[in-house]
Order: sequence, then structure tokens, then C-alpha cells
Amino acid sequence: DAGVIQSPRHEVTEMGQEVTLRCKPISGHDYLFWYRQTMMRGLELLIYFNNNVPIDDSGMPEDRFSAKMPNASFSTLKIQPSEPRDSAVYFCASSSSAKNIQYFGAGTRLSVL
Amino acid sequence: AQSVTQLGSHVSVSEGALVLLRCNYSSSVPPYLFWYVQYPNQGLQLLLKYTSAATLVKGINGFEAEFKKSETSFHLTKPSAHMSDAAEYFCAVRGNNAGNMLTFGGGTRLMVKP
Repeated sequence: DAGVIQSPRHEVTEMGQEVTLRCKPISGHDYLFWYRQTMMRGLELLIYFNNNVPIDDSGMPEDRFSAKMPNASFSTLKIQPSEPRDSAVYFCASSSSAKNIQYFGAGTRLSVL
Repeated sequence: AQSVTQLGSHVSVSEGALVLLRCNYSSSVPPYLFWYVQYPNQGLQLLLKYTSAATLVKGINGFEAEFKKSETSFHLTKPSAHMSDAAEYFCAVRGNNAGNMLTFGGGTRLMVKP
């Protein structure tokens, strides 16, 4: 398996623009997680899905952030409008309920100027 | 609710020296515990996990961790550090009734001096 695939790896955008981050989980996994990592706040869970349904979005910072999982093989995290304080590395992870191990993608490094 | 505390955000050791990274957890249910490693510009990779079998867990790259219920600890050790061990290490806990959600500690950056 190719592992969790995230795109793009790097994104540079200007304040106010819409940003969409993409994630393809490992085939067969029924959980998908979105995290944000910054120097100041460390690793934060933003939202997670089970069987494509959002279970806990309490970590989503504000209404500018939204996440969808239209099917078992694809998820997006959207920021609209983006702000400089959104600059961070965003990770997607997936796991199966059978094995309880989260597998992480390589991350998307977002810079909002 | 679960929580994880990693004592020491930075640890520096000499090559060949013992590595000890500390992790204490709190959990209202018997926990599953994990150590992940993050190399620069990469995602997190699983080092090892404890799931209520043997209390001493061996992982990849010569690392191991011991679950001590009385101390609510799950410290990570390696007898002899290698330069390639320089990375950030995260301890995480999952409660039995928490779906697959993990609570991560703040991370410990390990530096290895030649």
C-alpha cells in the first residue's frame, strides 16, 4: 500500500485566498483524522471521521475551516478565507478499527502570506 | 478523559549513550499507549504500542518502552543512541472507549551529539 497520501506537499498563498488540502487514506481504513502542527501549539487534532461521517470537530479553530469526506478514499480540509496565523503543517492520518494504529501522511506545509 | 505529559521538550545525549524519554499519562480506562517518531519534514511514524499484553514493548530501531501502571508511565528507552535517532518523539494515549482517537503529548526533541 502507498500509505496515506496528502497533496499538495507545500502550499503558499496570500491572505484571503481559499486553500484546499487533500488526503487519500489507506484503503480499507475506516477512520480519518486531520491534525495541525505548529511550533507554538504542537500537534492539534482538528477533526476526525468514522466511515466518512464527522465524529468530532471540536478542534476546528473557527468557521473558516471545513472538512469533508465524500467517500472512503478521499477527504479535504478547506480554509476560506485563509489568514497568516493558519500557517502550519497539516497532517492527515488514517486507521482501522481493527488495529488501532494511526498512519500519517507526509503533511502539507501551508504558508499564508 | 485522557492526557499525556512528556517531561522535557528537549533532550540531548551523546552518541552511544542511553536514551530515556519520559511519558506519563492519565486515563479513566485501561489505556492503549503509543510512541511515534517524527523526522524532519516527515509525518509521524509508529515506533511501538502497548495494548495490555506484555508490559515491556519492543519497537523498531532498538527502542523499547515499559508500561508501569503504578507510576502511570510509559517511558521510551534505547541503550545506545545513534546519530540517526535525532528526531521528535511523541507519546500518545487512547482510551478503550475513545474510538480511534489519540491524545498526543507535546513532544520531545532528541538531539544526539557526536
